[in-house]
Amino acid sequence: AQSVAQPEDQVNVAEGNPLTVKCTYSVSGNPYLFWYVQYPNRGLQFLLKYITGDNLVKGSYGFEAEFNKSQTSFHLKKPSALVSDSALYFCAVRGSSGGYNKLIFGAGTRLAVHP
Amino acid sequence: KAGVTQTPRYLIKTRGQQVTLSCSPISGHRSVSWYQQTPGQGLQFLFEYFSETQRNKGNFPGRFSGRQFSNSRSEMNVSTLELGDSALYLCASSLEQGARGAFFGQGTRLTVV
Repeated sequence: AQSVAQPEDQVNVAEGNPLTVKCTYSVSGNPYLFWYVQYPNRGLQFLLKYITGDNLVKGSYGFEAEFNKSQTSFHLKKPSALVSDSALYFCAVRGSSGGYNKLIFGAGTRLAVHP
Repeated sequence: KAGVTQTPRYLIKTRGQQVTLSCSPISGHRSVSWYQQTPGQGLQFLFEYFSETQRNKGNFPGRFSGRQFSNSRSEMNVSTLELGDSALYLCASSLEQGARGAFFGQGTRLTVV
């Protein structure tokens, strides 16, 4: 069965410091991996995805994520955090088998960036 | 290009009533998926439609149903509402079945009283 784990409920970072939001996954076959961000009372905004290719994926707003197959991880990173990055972040996975678009989401990690 | 549009944004319904939510996908996108978001259960997959056919269904009771029209617009219906159905309902559209990304609407906030 497919699953996603985000081990931290909340991550606190000082503005200007690097940030990491962790994600590990379990899926049969090759994974399609995604990161989304959610601001209060809003839907999910797409940040980046890993399908195949380079393990380091660059996305929107300066975010990037590193795919590590041996550790089944897909951690989200940013070199220098902004207060405006404070939001709820979701990691999601979809198996590559089958033609369906069902995403399995992690529980979410709240990122708080302090001035 | 307009994004995914969900209407209405907010709804208040009484237990036992039914509700219909609407989703207009990004132009050209043929796949529409629905998710329920609650504080307790997080984001859970409801169902996916592609070319007017339900392709995949999550673990929800039969009170939850949906459909897709020929223009790819989709509706979901919840009958006999329960308090636990209060949630943010999110619609996502993708270019095709098996697509490599999904784009979400702003959601419909349903409150059941």
